[in-house]
Amino acid sequence: DAGVIQSPRHEVTEMGQEVTLRCKPISGHDYLFWYRQTMMRGLELLIYFNNNVPIDDSGMPEDRFSAKMPNASFSTLKIQPSEPRDSAVYFCASSSGLAGVSYNEQFFGPGTRLTVL
Amino acid sequence: AQSVAQPEDQVNVAEGNPLTVKCTYSVSGNPYLFWYVQYPNRGLQFLLKYITGDNLVKGSYGFEAEFNKSQTSFHLKKPSALVSDSALYFCAVRDMVATSGTYKYIFGTGTRLKVLA
Repeated sequence: DAGVIQSPRHEVTEMGQEVTLRCKPISGHDYLFWYRQTMMRGLELLIYFNNNVPIDDSGMPEDRFSAKMPNASFSTLKIQPSEPRDSAVYFCASSSGLAGVSYNEQFFGPGTRLTVL
Repeated sequence: AQSVAQPEDQVNVAEGNPLTVKCTYSVSGNPYLFWYVQYPNRGLQFLLKYITGDNLVKGSYGFEAEFNKSQTSFHLKKPSALVSDSALYFCAVRDMVATSGTYKYIFGTGTRLKVLA
């Protein structure tokens, strides 16, 4: 397996523009998590899904942020409109809640570095 | 609510010396504890986990962690540090969300390990 795949790896956009981040979890994983990392706030959980259903979006900072998981192999995080304070590294992670060798371990993607000018 | 604390923002150690990165936890019930490492410009990587069983858990890259129930600690250790171990280390605990029957992860604030040649 190629691991968790995120695209794009880098995104530079101007304030007010729409930004869409994409994630492909590891095949067979039933959990998907979106995190944001900044120097000031550290690692923050934004939202997570179980079996494609959003479970907890209390970490989503504002209505400008939205996330979807239309199927087990794809998720998006959208920011509309974007603001400079949204600049951060956004990570997607997946895990399996099923008993097995890698039970409970989270596998992180390489992240998307977002810069909003 | 479950939580973990990493009391040190940074730990410096000389190459070849033993290293310890501290983590304490607060959970109700049995803790599921994890250590992750983040190298520059990379996503977090799983190092090791404690679910049950032996209090000394061995993981990747020669790291190990000792689960101590009486002190509610899960410190990360390595007998002999390498310069290449320099990175950001996160402790995490699995948090069962009773209302949904799902789980998420609570991460510490991270400890930057610097191994000096």
